[in-house]
Amino acid sequence: DAGVIQSPRHEVTEMGQEVTLRCKPISGHNSLFWYRQTMMRGLELLIYFNNNVPIDDSGMPEDRFSAKMPNASFSTLKIQPSEPRDSAVYFCASRLRRVGHGYTFGSGTRLTVV
Amino acid sequence: GENVEQHPSTLSVQEGDSAVIKCTYSDSASNYFPWYKQELGKGPQLIIDIRSNVGEKKDQRIAVTLNKTAKHFSLHITETQPEDSAVYFCAASRGRSNTGKLIFGQGTTLQVKP
Repeated sequence: DAGVIQSPRHEVTEMGQEVTLRCKPISGHNSLFWYRQTMMRGLELLIYFNNNVPIDDSGMPEDRFSAKMPNASFSTLKIQPSEPRDSAVYFCASRLRRVGHGYTFGSGTRLTVV
Repeated sequence: GENVEQHPSTLSVQEGDSAVIKCTYSDSASNYFPWYKQELGKGPQLIIDIRSNVGEKKDQRIAVTLNKTAKHFSLHITETQPEDSAVYFCAASRGRSNTGKLIFGQGTTLQVKP
């Protein structure tokens, strides 16, 4: 099992540009989560999906952020337009929605907006 | 809203000593409490978890205790080793079959000195 795969690992972009982060969850997992990690705010849940359906997007900071999960094996987090304060590490995690199964995190995408 | 407080923010111990990290939660409906270890440049990794019907759980050198009345839970690491140095996060969630979203504490940076 390759685990949760995120791409790219690092992204540097200019303010105002569109950024798309990608995630491939573990095969068979039916919940997917996007988290943002910063020194100031720690790990913040942005949005999560159950069976490809968005359940709670209350953590999405602004309309500039959007997330999709078109199928069980792929999700994207898009920021348009990006701003310097969006600089952070973005993690994707997946899980099987059953007792005894915890989250598995990807290695993250480090986003720098200059 | 849901909140998880974690203390201390940093912890330094000598190799071989014990380390204890404490968390409190606000949502009395929380019923699942995992602990994650995050090494530099990696995503958080689940190391142990406990459910609300259990007071204590051990796995080799790590143990977690839960006091539902006081709404706090703790991570205990015995015989610490340099490779235990990392950032540790507690988390809490509610919901049947642990389907709720995880709310994370702010993290504890543990340094184990050889």
